[in-house]
Amino acid sequence: DAKTTQPNSMESNEEEPVHLPCNHSTISGTDYIHWYRQLPSQGPEYVIHGLTSNVNNRMASLAIAEDRKSSTLILHRATLRDAAVYYCILEYGGAQKLVFGQGTRLTINP
Amino acid sequence: DTEVTQTPKHLVMGMTNKKSLKCEQHMGHRAMYWYKQKAKKPPELMFVYSYEKLSINESVPSRFSPECPNSSLLNLHLHALQPEDSALYLCASSQDLRQAGYTFGSGTRLTVV
Repeated sequence: DAKTTQPNSMESNEEEPVHLPCNHSTISGTDYIHWYRQLPSQGPEYVIHGLTSNVNNRMASLAIAEDRKSSTLILHRATLRDAAVYYCILEYGGAQKLVFGQGTRLTINP
Repeated sequence: DTEVTQTPKHLVMGMTNKKSLKCEQHMGHRAMYWYKQKAKKPPELMFVYSYEKLSINESVPSRFSPECPNSSLLNLHLHALQPEDSALYLCASSQDLRQAGYTFGSGTRLTVV
């Protein structure tokens, strides 16, 4: 299964944009890039996913590098409720499954 | 209904007990998953069911036995567990399409004593 690398932790301020990076240099052409977040004592929550093109939804934007070896999750205006562990995951092309990496713990300062 | 419901939310069991965890979804998703999450660690995949058939078993010990009675239900039967099996057990579902997101339940917090 292809692996992802994320910073262990990041900190940002409320109402500012947040850019969460993810490296996935061994990605193959059919691997989807997924982002999930997990708040304490809850299950992971879907944020966004994409294959090659940048994606936007009501929660966030996903910017995918042209060579697909990295991606960035963008929260346009962080709130305190966005404090969570964010996981960047490759959905392996050969099988429908998500294999989680270590994730980034995001802290939002008021 | 856009949720995955897991019961019970908390479970304490002895090492000689037999218990079951239940997961239910009514979104028409045809793929369902069990994950195990230890404290401060990411979720680890255990089993994948696709169209009610077991498609992936990530070398999980036989004391964990999954069952998919129908397309909406997923069970995890537990027998002769060890204290190190104490964890949060998460269920998830997805459409059997690779361009879909996954929906996770809130989990069952299991303690083995």
